[in-house]
Amino acid sequence: GDSVTQMEGPVTLSEEAFLTINCTYTATGYPSLFWYVQYPGEGLQLLLKATKADDKGSNKGFEATYRKETTSFHLEKGSVQVSDSAVYFCALSEIEGAQKLVFGQGTRLTINP
Amino acid sequence: SAVISQKPSRDICQRGTSLTIQCQVDSQVTMMFWYRQQPGQSLTLIATANQGSEATYESGFVIDKFPISRPNLTFSTLTVSNMSPEDSSIYLCSVVSYGDIFYEQYFGPGTRLTVT
Repeated sequence: GDSVTQMEGPVTLSEEAFLTINCTYTATGYPSLFWYVQYPGEGLQLLLKATKADDKGSNKGFEATYRKETTSFHLEKGSVQVSDSAVYFCALSEIEGAQKLVFGQGTRLTINP
Repeated sequence: SAVISQKPSRDICQRGTSLTIQCQVDSQVTMMFWYRQQPGQSLTLIATANQGSEATYESGFVIDKFPISRPNLTFSTLTVSNMSPEDSSIYLCSVVSYGDIFYEQYFGPGTRLTVT
């Protein structure tokens, strides 16, 4: 079945550092790919998405590119802030419309001032 | 965007009892889902709540353990039956609604369940 693998956490960085959180996937078809974020004490929010190969999703300074050849969707940000501290989930959906999501295990990110 | 509320936000229950979790959305939505997030783990889909018919369960989840109702397009309940400590998790409701430019899946704040 479909699956998503994220880099092991937790990840701790200093403010203004460069961030990469790796995500790879296994799917039978051509899934849509997502990054969700869960800030402390809040619910899960969609951060960005990409629906086809070579698409780049971006939001709040975060970016991720859908790489079909490497089945990857790595999350990057050039300069992180303390407010980016959260748990990040990579996910896929086989069906367009963000239905029936399959999640990675989540990566806890802490940014120190 | 859809605004989702869940009740209760948290509960501590005894082994062998049942708990019903409510999910209320502020607008009519096409699809509603229930997920489980076990301690330190990722989210796993339990079932799709179908309006006016039986829910569609994922592999490993059964109706007797997790009965679900969806009487209309804005409300659903999930019951965790005959609970054991292994059921201690966060249970999340989610809905699919049309956002700015595409369909998005919105999540409720979750219900944190501890079974003793």
